[in-house]
Amino acid sequence: QQQVKQSPQSLIVQKGGISIINCAYENTAFDYFPWYQQFPGKGPALLIAIRPDVSEKKEGRFTISFNKSAKQFSLHIMDSQPGDSATYFCAASMGYTGNQFYFGTGTSLTVIP
Amino acid sequence: KAGVTQTPRYLIKTRGQQVTLSCSPISGHRSVSWYQQTPGQGLQFLFEYFSETQRNKGNFPGRFSGRQFSNSRSEMNVSTLELGDSALYLCASSTPTETQYFGPGTRLLVL
Repeated sequence: QQQVKQSPQSLIVQKGGISIINCAYENTAFDYFPWYQQFPGKGPALLIAIRPDVSEKKEGRFTISFNKSAKQFSLHIMDSQPGDSATYFCAASMGYTGNQFYFGTGTSLTVIP
Repeated sequence: KAGVTQTPRYLIKTRGQQVTLSCSPISGHRSVSWYQQTPGQGLQFLFEYFSETQRNKGNFPGRFSGRQFSNSRSEMNVSTLELGDSALYLCASSTPTETQYFGPGTRLLVL
């Protein structure tokens, strides 16, 4: 049973465009929502994270939008660059239970020059 | 600070053998988590250790086990390897604020 559902599975965007990846969850006990970027042959690297008390967080070209009532959150990559081509994972955890993270199935992003 | 290190990076074993993977967390991090990553199942949580105690456990058979030492270094062991255990095994260390930092992983191939 997938606790965090991620879409789309793959995404192709033109350079300079906006990449949008969506995730949905069911467990309202989740209180921490990070996004990870993974390049081939590497471990996932934390991009940006959000907690449910805010609806949006921006760091550079990366923005998380969070909709608590809909139990959805999304990653927006502005001005997408070829170097952003990677696999992106959303995740969720319940902080009070420790560091057990539930990951989405990943989105393979390709940015075309 | 040095990042999370994992050894070995690549491993080839045959069915029935056992394997031990090692993870050294970022200095000062006391929580170490292990994940299995496969193309079909994605990233799946194996277990988490905090101060030498298993704090969380995922839905994996008992063939998968782990431990953590007093210096926070962690090992995971898989006994009686099966073909389906072929995967990238990732270790992550965490701050008290839950930020997880992943190592490069150990790629295990079971023949």
